Amino acid sequence: DADVTQTPRNRITKTGKRIMLECSQTKGHDRMYWYRQDPGLGLRLIYYSFDVKDINKGEISDGYSVSRQAQAKFSLSLESAIPNQTALYFCATSLGSHQETQYFGPGTRLLVL
Amino acid sequence: AQSVAQPEDQVNVAEGNPLTVKCTYSVSGNPYLFWYVQYPNRGLQFLLKYITGDNLVKGSYGFEAEFNKSQTSFHLKKPSALVSDSALYFCAVSPASTGANNLFFGTGTRLTVIP
Repeated sequence: DADVTQTPRNRITKTGKRIMLECSQTKGHDRMYWYRQDPGLGLRLIYYSFDVKDINKGEISDGYSVSRQAQAKFSLSLESAIPNQTALYFCATSLGSHQETQYFGPGTRLLVL
Repeated sequence: AQSVAQPEDQVNVAEGNPLTVKCTYSVSGNPYLFWYVQYPNRGLQFLLKYITGDNLVKGSYGFEAEFNKSQTSFHLKKPSALVSDSALYFCAVSPASTGANNLFFGTGTRLTVIP
């Protein structure tokens, strides 16, 4: 969905390196999310943010950190990448009610060597 | 604890035949239920959701799903499959009782429509 963009789309890095994945949205949504997708495991929530000052850990936050720089931007950092963080990472956004649909970006494919 | 089960990793159906992708859930209280589709090299696209009301929900691309509270199921259906429906389908649940709309996803079902 062009309303939610992620950069980079693909990234190869080495063990121990710090990397940042970025997400931007033009939907005007308050809530933003980071997920990772692994084959056979579906999507798992890493972090989520209800607004710029409200950030929460998800199911699998260890080894990750996030920054909500503005309503429209939500970055995910791997402080010291390890091979089992190789995955497909998705950003998503939604309006403020938990009935609301989440809208996903195109994903970032990360390979940690 | 919240969970979603998609018991079939793979579903094959002939073009023109009806299709069903199964989903069962476990959640405290009332559920909000969603179906998403993922095409190759793309993000997830929303298909439909059940919040309240009519148990039969109609969504995008001719898909529909039926909420069955007694069986805790939310199966995705389409009367006549198209080759272009071939994709990975995810069921997800959000517990209505919490303030967060965190989605819990199933592991996905790969649908292949055979010409």
